[in-house]
Amino acid sequence: TQLLEQSPQFLSIQEGENLTVYCNSSSVFSSLQWYRQEPGEGPVLLVTVVTGGEVKKLKRLTFQFGDARKDSSLHITAAQPGDTGLYLCAGALEKLVFGKGTKLTVNP
Amino acid sequence: DTGVSQDPRHKITKRGQNVTFRCDPISEHNRLYWYRQTLGQGPEFLTYFQNEAQLEKSRLLSNRFSAERPKGSFSTLEIQRTEQGDSAMYLCASSFGTPGNTIYFGEGSWLTVV
Repeated sequence: TQLLEQSPQFLSIQEGENLTVYCNSSSVFSSLQWYRQEPGEGPVLLVTVVTGGEVKKLKRLTFQFGDARKDSSLHITAAQPGDTGLYLCAGALEKLVFGKGTKLTVNP
Repeated sequence: DTGVSQDPRHKITKRGQNVTFRCDPISEHNRLYWYRQTLGQGPEFLTYFQNEAQLEKSRLLSNRFSAERPKGSFSTLEIQRTEQGDSAMYLCASSFGTPGNTIYFGEGSWLTVV
């Protein structure tokens, strides 16, 4: 049983489109972290959200933590080919538990 | 601060051989984690340390796997009698303070068992 359900698993869009990735769980997390990973590399932290209802923006990326701290979303506005990669959400308990990731491809 | 560093980055070994990976966490980070990641999957938790104490081990960590953090700084992950199913990227991560604080990952160690 996957503790964190991440969707969609694959996403292929055209440059300039918007997209949203979802991360859902029945567990309450002390924080939730989003990472981006390139092939053959380790995950690179994008953001940590801690407070229920919190919204953080990182240029064209908007991250939201659910009010109950069980779910989160990542919205990308006007996607660019450089956004291509594997996006991972991870909820913090005693350790991080990961979703399966969303493989995003942005086509020029 | 050089971040979390892992060595070697790539390792090809024959089935049945032993391999050891080293992780140097961010200095002063008291918590150190090991994860395993296979193609198309998110990282799976293996074990973690708080200082030198190993606080949790996943059921994924069979008796062929052992991890140590003898002085509460660097850590090693050893796999004995490797099997083809052990082929994966082994990720080390570290954090400071309490659970929920941001965890930073190294670049990973790729293992291929042939």
